[in-house]
Order: sequence, then C-alpha cells, then structure tokens
Amino acid sequence: DAKTTQPPSMDCAEGRAANLPCNHSTISGNEYVYWYRQIHSQGPQYIIHGLKNNETNEMASLIITEDRKSSTLILPHATLRDTAVYYCIVRHTSGTYKYIFGTGTRLKVLA
Amino acid sequence: DTEVTQTPKHLVMGMTNKKSLKCEQHMGHRAMYWYKQKAKKPPELMFVYSYEKLSINESVPSRFSPECPNSSLLNLHLHALQPEDSALYLCASSHSRDWANNSPLHFGNGTRLTVT
Repeated sequence: DAKTTQPPSMDCAEGRAANLPCNHSTISGNEYVYWYRQIHSQGPQYIIHGLKNNETNEMASLIITEDRKSSTLILPHATLRDTAVYYCIVRHTSGTYKYIFGTGTRLKVLA
Repeated sequence: DTEVTQTPKHLVMGMTNKKSLKCEQHMGHRAMYWYKQKAKKPPELMFVYSYEKLSINESVPSRFSPECPNSSLLNLHLHALQPEDSALYLCASSHSRDWANNSPLHFGNGTRLTVT
C-alpha cells in the first residue's frame, strides 16, 4: 500500500476554507484515497474518498491531481468544531482490509 | 453518536488481571477491526476479522487475544498486559470486500485502557 505524507499542523480562520494537502506519490492506479478526521477523545470519523475524479459531499470536497500523486481535502467554511486531526489513507481496490493511517495533520480553526 | 459501540469507555487493570473489551455493531458489516492508538500517534492496525474469521494479525503479542463470536460482536481479551500497553483501543467495522471493496471504516469511540 502507498504511504502518505501530510503536514503536521495547520491553522485556519473560522469561516474560511481549510485546504489540507496529502502527498501519495507512490500511489498505484488501483488505490483509493480516503480521508478521516479525529476529534479529541473520539474515534476517527469518515469524511470522503475517491479514486480518480474529484468528489464532494455534505462535509467536504476532495481534489485529486491528474497524476494522482497528491490530493487536497477542502472544508469550504471551517468552523471551530472542525478542529481535529485529519488523516489521509490510500487503500488498494482489491479489497485488502489494511487501512494504514499516516501521521495526519492537526488542524486548528481559529476564532 | 456512533453506530459502533465499545464498552467499557475506560478501564484500569493491573498487570496480572484478565479483562475484555467489547465492540458491537448492527450495520450488517461483516468485517471488524481492532486498532491501538497511543497518545498523539495515529491508530495502528492490530486485527481484522472477516465473516467471523481472523483475516489479519499484525504480529500482535499473544497477551492480546481477539474473538469474533458472531457478525455483530468483537471482543479483545487482555491478559498479563504491560504498562506500555496503555492506550486507546478502537474498534471499527466495514462491509466485506466481497460486497464493496471501497467500503470506508466506521469507528467506535474507543476504550481508554490504563495498565498499572
């Protein structure tokens, strides 16, 4: 499975868009990109995932570069409740059960 | 609220004790997972069950013994733990890879274990 690299921490002003990058330069054509977040003292929460195309849901948007070597999670209007650690994971489509978490980005949304 | 329920929320045990962590889900998922998370670190995969059979064991010490009695329940039996085993233990579930090979994980809120 491809490994991921994320910045250790980021700040974002409340109400602004939070753009969280993830590098997965060794990703293969059959690996999905997943994003989770973990708010203090809770279990990780699924946000979004994608393979090749950009994806959007009620929580966030996922932008995957054309070469698939990196992606960006976008929280369009960050709130204080979005303060959390955000994890980017890649997993093979063949259905391995190995979801391996990287080190994550600690996002702090500032009032 | 989470659809994966873990009990107890907190557990303190001595190194000679035997205890069990429990996890339950009613989403019809056939894959269940145990992760261990130390403070300020990402979750680390320990075990995966698929259709009640052990599918992955990430070289976890035998003092941790998983059990999946049915498709909704997952246990982690603990015996002779060390203080360094103190951590947040997370349970997760997903659809099996036969059903949806891009199924995301659904996590519980974990059991915070302290070994004294």
